[in-house]
Amino acid sequence: EIVLTQSPGTLSLSPGERATLSCRASQSVTSSYLAWYQQKPGQPPRLLIYGASSRASGIPDRFSGSGSGTDFTLTISRLEPEDFAVYFCQQYGSSYTFGQGTKLEIK
Amino acid sequence: QVQLVESGGGVVQPGRSLKLSCAASGFSFSNSVMHWVRQAPGKGLEWVAGISYDGGYKYYADSVKGRFTISRDNSKNTLYLQMNSLRAEDTAVCYCARSERGADAFDIWGQGTMVTVSS
Repeated sequence: EIVLTQSPGTLSLSPGERATLSCRASQSVTSSYLAWYQQKPGQPPRLLIYGASSRASGIPDRFSGSGSGTDFTLTISRLEPEDFAVYFCQQYGSSYTFGQGTKLEIK
Repeated sequence: QVQLVESGGGVVQPGRSLKLSCAASGFSFSNSVMHWVRQAPGKGLEWVAGISYDGGYKYYADSVKGRFTISRDNSKNTLYLQMNSLRAEDTAVCYCARSERGADAFDIWGQGTMVTVSS
């Protein structure tokens, strides 16, 4: 099983700042089959990024994904108030596993 | 309107059974791979089970293999999860989700249904 480790556990930033979230895999992720999701309290996850770097439909361009192999990054260029949430990475190349999440909170 | 609506959650005693349903609308259900994902209170996401377009292939997380059964009825646009021998650690919000292919991200999610296993 591929284990995904996200860091940091909690990230405290202010609106307008840049956020960088990391997802590290225990082994190489097949064909960059890596996705990022956003989840707000009481809501289901929302797909942001798939294929490591492709934005899902309707996702603002301030969200970007990068990386390959075992190291992946989600970047939010300028934080908006609605971006404060929990973010999960997922690999879907070898069964399916999720990272434990990064909570992005307002500083 | 693209939608997944789960139902069937509730409170059940350890060792008992529960069957969840997920009704799909607004997209081609029969051309979608479907999944169940759960989230224990205050915890992260855990993929539980997946099923191919026609139901011919079913796959499970080790934590539920032999206890849970995923199925689908394409004539009713509905996904199911039969959960047997439930344990306290199965307590979670259960989401159904869709991917276009097996090796694809989950682009549509339901709102979830709560399953509580407690005596």
